[in-house]
Parts: sequence; C-alpha cells; structure tokens
Amino acid sequence: GAGVSQTPSNKVTEKGKYVELRCDPISGHTALYWYRQSLGQGPEFLIYFQGTGAADDSGLPNDRFFAVRPEGSVSTLKIQRTERGDSAVYLCASSFLAHGTEAFFGQGTRLTVV
Amino acid sequence: AQKVTQAQTEISVVEKEDVTLDCVYETRDTTYYLFWYKQPPSGELVFLIRRNSFDEQNEISGRYSWNFQKSTSSFNFTITASQVVDSAVYFCALKTGTASKLTFGTGTRLQVTL
Repeated sequence: GAGVSQTPSNKVTEKGKYVELRCDPISGHTALYWYRQSLGQGPEFLIYFQGTGAADDSGLPNDRFFAVRPEGSVSTLKIQRTERGDSAVYLCASSFLAHGTEAFFGQGTRLTVV
Repeated sequence: AQKVTQAQTEISVVEKEDVTLDCVYETRDTTYYLFWYKQPPSGELVFLIRRNSFDEQNEISGRYSWNFQKSTSSFNFTITASQVVDSAVYFCALKTGTASKLTFGTGTRLQVTL
C-alpha cells in the first residue's frame, strides 16, 4: 500500500480481555516497529522486527505483550489480560532499512480498556 | 543512554510570526541520527527531516529550517511565516548508530492563530 495501515483505528475492550492490533507496513520495508503513545507523551518503543524476527523487544512492558511478523510483512501486536493502564495509542512504523533511514508511521490504534 | 529534551511544552503564535522549536539530545554514540516529526490532530506522525551526526549543515525546505549544532547538542526547528496549518505537536527524535529504535522527546504543541 501507499502508507502504513493499522487496524482497527479504535478498539474498546474490557479489562482482562485479549486484543490483537494489526499493522500492514509499506511494501518493501524490511524493518517494522511498534510504539505506544500515552496522552501528552512522545511515542515509546515497544519492539522492532527485521524481516520475520524480533530483533529488539526490549520495550515490551511485560509478558502480556507479544508481537509476531510471520511472513516478514504484516505484524500483529497481541495483548493478553488487558489492564486499564494499557490504554494508549499503539503506533506502527516501517522503514526500508533499520539504520540510517526514516520510519514512516501509521495512524495508530487507539486502545481503551474499560 | 539516549535522551531527547523538548523544554517547550506549548507555544502560541499569531499567523505569519516566525517560531523556533528547541530540541536538545544526549548520547554517547558518535554516530547517530536526528529527526523531526509532526503530529497533527489526526494523529499520524509525519516525517519532516533526518540528519546524521556527521552532517552539520543547516537545511532549509520552504518555510522550514533546521539548525544542527553538535557543540550544544541541539537540533532546533524554525518555521518562518507560520500558518494555521502548522498547528500540531512536533516531536524531535534520536536514533543511535547501533540501535534501531527512536527515542522521542515529549513534544511541543504549536498553536498558530489568525
């Protein structure tokens, strides 16, 4: 596609439920990133994929968070046993290379845990 | 560790005024990249510029200009003759040469009024 696409754009879920957030990167981009942005803050890094593998998952807050990119294109961020503190905008970005090139962001998924 | 500081939380200007957004960064790496992103109310982060640590030339793109000074670890962004459409949150970000993730500042909200 022309840009990074994220679905859904909004997700409301009950505390304790499981959610999946999807990211479709720019075609040909090998690097894919997930960030989380809380209100009034800058995006915070969660995880980075180079191809199919998670090259850096140091930003995942705990083991309730998991992400996959099985075919090196679309990625899914999975959150188990959601908590109210998980409410935020989840941003996906992709870049042609991991180093030295800019990342292009999607419009994000606003997750609200009630 | 990497850090980006945007001390200005919010700036209000009248249309056609010039405005400078400050960014100060910290890193021990000698190879790094600096970025500016714009986040309009729609939420999508829009890439504006990337600068590497070996290129201290200032850059101008239309009404936008950037001043990179390694001596003061600053990468400031100036908008000349601001317009209402410039109203957004602007983020400065840092990526070191060995890492893949972006470290963002907390952003500066720019409000341009008529």
